Amino acid sequence: GAVVSQHPSRVICKSGTSVKIECRSLDFQATTMFWYRQFPKKSLMLMATSNEGSKATYEQGVEKDKFLINHASLTLSTLTVTSAHPEDSSFYICSAMGGGGSYNSPLHFGNGTRLTVT
Amino acid sequence: AQTVTQSQPEMSVQEAETVTLSCTYDTSENNYYLFWYKQPPSRQMILVIRQEAYKQQNATENRFSVNFQKAAKSFSLKISDSQLGDTAMYFCAFMKPNAGNMLTFGGGTRLMVKP
Repeated sequence: GAVVSQHPSRVICKSGTSVKIECRSLDFQATTMFWYRQFPKKSLMLMATSNEGSKATYEQGVEKDKFLINHASLTLSTLTVTSAHPEDSSFYICSAMGGGGSYNSPLHFGNGTRLTVT
Repeated sequence: AQTVTQSQPEMSVQEAETVTLSCTYDTSENNYYLFWYKQPPSRQMILVIRQEAYKQQNATENRFSVNFQKAAKSFSLKISDSQLGDTAMYFCAFMKPNAGNMLTFGGGTRLMVKP
């Protein structure tokens, strides 16, 4: 079945540094990818929608200059957390959609990235 | 905007028994899709079951079935013959057609299956 690979699975970084998280669709072309953030024991909150070749659409309250999203190809989207702070520590999950219509192309989720900012 | 509410933060069930997880949603749309996702301790999101709003028949996938009440905007998940591997967070989700497959998730229900 379709697979989405997210890397790294865990990352620890120092406050003030930047971290890049990759989301790859391995056997299909993902026209749209989504980035979610999940706090402990909480639900997934959509951060942004990433469309190949165009600017990402950010949800209200999400700082686009802090969470940089690049969807340069049909198989890769990246989320860069810039100037990370401890409050950015969280679990980040990507999902990808293939072509073929909304309902018949179910979302495929990556395994998530646990970011810890010290 | 759509909202999805799961009123049970935590539930437990004995192995082999049946449990029902509740989900309600609010929308002005007439056509939409509803989903239940499972997130085990591995944190991988797994699609359990999905339902199209225009279909009156409740979806069923092996031990998992839904009770879709469109007028009441209710979409509960029934797990029959619960297994230890069913222990996970369960999220109800709403998707509007032609909205780019964007999902709105409920707050989740943590299900513990006890031996």
